[in-house]
Amino acid sequence: GAGVSQSPSNKVTEKGKDVELRCDPISGHTALYWYRQSLGQGLEFLIYFQGNSAPDKSGLPSDRFSAERTGGSVSTLTIQRTQQEDSAVYLCASSANGMRSAKLFFGSGTQLSVL
Amino acid sequence: QKEVEQNSGPLSVPEGAIASLNCTYSDRGSQSFFWYRQYSGKSPELIMFIYSNGDKEDGRFTAQLNKASQYVSLLIRDSQPSDSATYLCAVNIGYSTLTFGKGTMLLVSP
Repeated sequence: GAGVSQSPSNKVTEKGKDVELRCDPISGHTALYWYRQSLGQGLEFLIYFQGNSAPDKSGLPSDRFSAERTGGSVSTLTIQRTQQEDSAVYLCASSANGMRSAKLFFGSGTQLSVL
Repeated sequence: QKEVEQNSGPLSVPEGAIASLNCTYSDRGSQSFFWYRQYSGKSPELIMFIYSNGDKEDGRFTAQLNKASQYVSLLIRDSQPSDSATYLCAVNIGYSTLTFGKGTMLLVSP
């Protein structure tokens, strides 16, 4: 696609429910990243994929968070048993490769609200 | 703790002035440096990147890197009200992960 696509754009859920967030990267980009941004805060790194593998998942805040990527393309971030502190904008980004010089291009994000 | 630090601002400048945004980083091994612009309610957009010491110019934007002092800056010449946004400094720490600062809010008044 022309850009990074994320869905849904907004998600409201009840505490304790599971949610799935989807990211479709720019076509041909091998690297994919998930970040989250809480109100007034910077971007917090969650996980990085190179192809279908995740060489760096050091930012996942707890075992309630997991992510997978299939076919070297679409990625899904799953949050189980959501908590109010999970409320944030979840941003996905992709880059042509995973090298240090790689430029990240962001999607428009998913605004998650946990009531 | 490997960090990227920015003054949160807001930095207020009049239209036509030069806006100077600064960023310091803690990891001496960092090699790639990026500036992203984020309008309120929108996602970050890459505007500049720099890999070598010195200056890099692109239109009204100049990125400056000083690895010895571990700082990177962004100058915006002839600032316009449309430049009002939060500017995020991002530094490559480790093989591939970008670490972002919390951003500096820039306000350009007409």
